[in-house]
Amino acid sequence: DTGVSQDPRHKITKRGQNVTFRCDPISEHNRLYWYRQTLGQGPEFLTYFQNEAQLEKSRLLSDRFSAERPKGSFSTLEIQRTEQGDSAMYLCASSLVSGSGTDTQYFGPGTRLTVL
Amino acid sequence: DQQVKQNSPSLSVQEGRISILNCDYTNSMFDYFLWYKKYPAEGPTFLISISSIKDKNEDGRFTVFLNKSAKHLSLHIVPSQPGDSAVYFCAASGPTGTASKLTFGTGTRLQVTL
Repeated sequence: DTGVSQDPRHKITKRGQNVTFRCDPISEHNRLYWYRQTLGQGPEFLTYFQNEAQLEKSRLLSDRFSAERPKGSFSTLEIQRTEQGDSAMYLCASSLVSGSGTDTQYFGPGTRLTVL
Repeated sequence: DQQVKQNSPSLSVQEGRISILNCDYTNSMFDYFLWYKKYPAEGPTFLISISSIKDKNEDGRFTVFLNKSAKHLSLHIVPSQPGDSAVYFCAASGPTGTASKLTFGTGTRLQVTL
């Protein structure tokens, strides 16, 4: 399978614990995105990388959240001191910018986080 | 501030008929638009996209129409099939070359009945 993969698919944690999610993009893609989706809403942008550089972060990404993409390959998203409001589906997407500059993003299956 | 709006939360269509899903946007800097399909407990699957230099793009049973003056786009599925039952999200980005994050609508749940 050559699509975007995410691990774990589900995570249940207690409030105050730290969690880390991993995303492996499509191999030739140079951009990697993180989004968060809550019930009844569309995905909301969190941050994105071009190769290993983190180029943009949303205001949604509080200082408890950190993302990395070492060597421009896989990425991790860490949430420290989790809160119940962090419960959501965390989605990763990757893309390869076309010659015209358009950017079609392909999503992974997501990690469902439940904070008790 | 909802920059991308899908005003119909749900739509029911008979198998074989046309499904039309609508999307409106407010940010005039958006110039690339995409439709995604999502099944429960899965990530969104890319369906079709359109750049603002076009007003129509077709791929098999799926056609997207863009009306820039009205800031409106629609997805037509013809003929509709039971496997098309899912939540459909409209997304937008732009301007191309500077801002690539996607802004999504809240989705329309399509049910295709037999």
